Amino acid sequence: KQEVTQIPAALSVPEGENLVLNCSFTDSAIYNLQWFRQDPGKGLTSLLLIQSSQREQTSGRLNASLDKSSGRSTLYIAASQPGDSATYLCAVYSSNTGKLIFGQGTTLQVKP
Amino acid sequence: ETGVTQSPTHLIKTRGQQVTLRCSSQSGHNTVSWYQQALGQGPQFIFQYYREEENGRGNFPPRFSGLQFPNYSSELNVNALELDDSALYLCASSLGGGRRAYEQYFGPGTRLTVT
Repeated sequence: KQEVTQIPAALSVPEGENLVLNCSFTDSAIYNLQWFRQDPGKGLTSLLLIQSSQREQTSGRLNASLDKSSGRSTLYIAASQPGDSATYLCAVYSSNTGKLIFGQGTTLQVKP
Repeated sequence: ETGVTQSPTHLIKTRGQQVTLRCSSQSGHNTVSWYQQALGQGPQFIFQYYREEENGRGNFPPRFSGLQFPNYSSELNVNALELDDSALYLCASSLGGGRRAYEQYFGPGTRLTVT
């Protein structure tokens, strides 16, 4: 059974700091991995999608990596800003079940 | 903006009642997936509809049911509401179904409160 874990559950950093969010999954049989952002009470905004054959994806200040063999992904945020404060969710699309499986998220607070 | 819309935005129901939530998919998408997100948790997969047929289901009881229409919009119905059904309900549309892993685009969600 695929399980997705995100550590830490919460993170508070000063503005301008570079930071890394971690995601691990138990089954390497995945089609892709996605990182989402969720503001309080809102829907999900897709940030980056990495196909299983890829190692990383970049968008602006965000960089996501994927190591399928070790079951790990990281989301790197450069030069963090207060507007980056949100919950970040990672999700893997399991090729065994055809389902998108989510972690519980990391809630990030960037202090001015 | 993903082009996926959901209605209503918020809903308050009493235990035992029935509720219908609606989702309009992004233009050109033929697959809709529904998720339940309890407070402080990640979304949990409820089921997926592909070309008007159920195409995969998560670990939810039969009182959670759905429908997809010819225009690919979708409904989520929940009967005999329980307090634990209080959650944010998200729908996501994508192109293609089954085990093809097309990117999913999420709507803003419906916040359901059961009292």
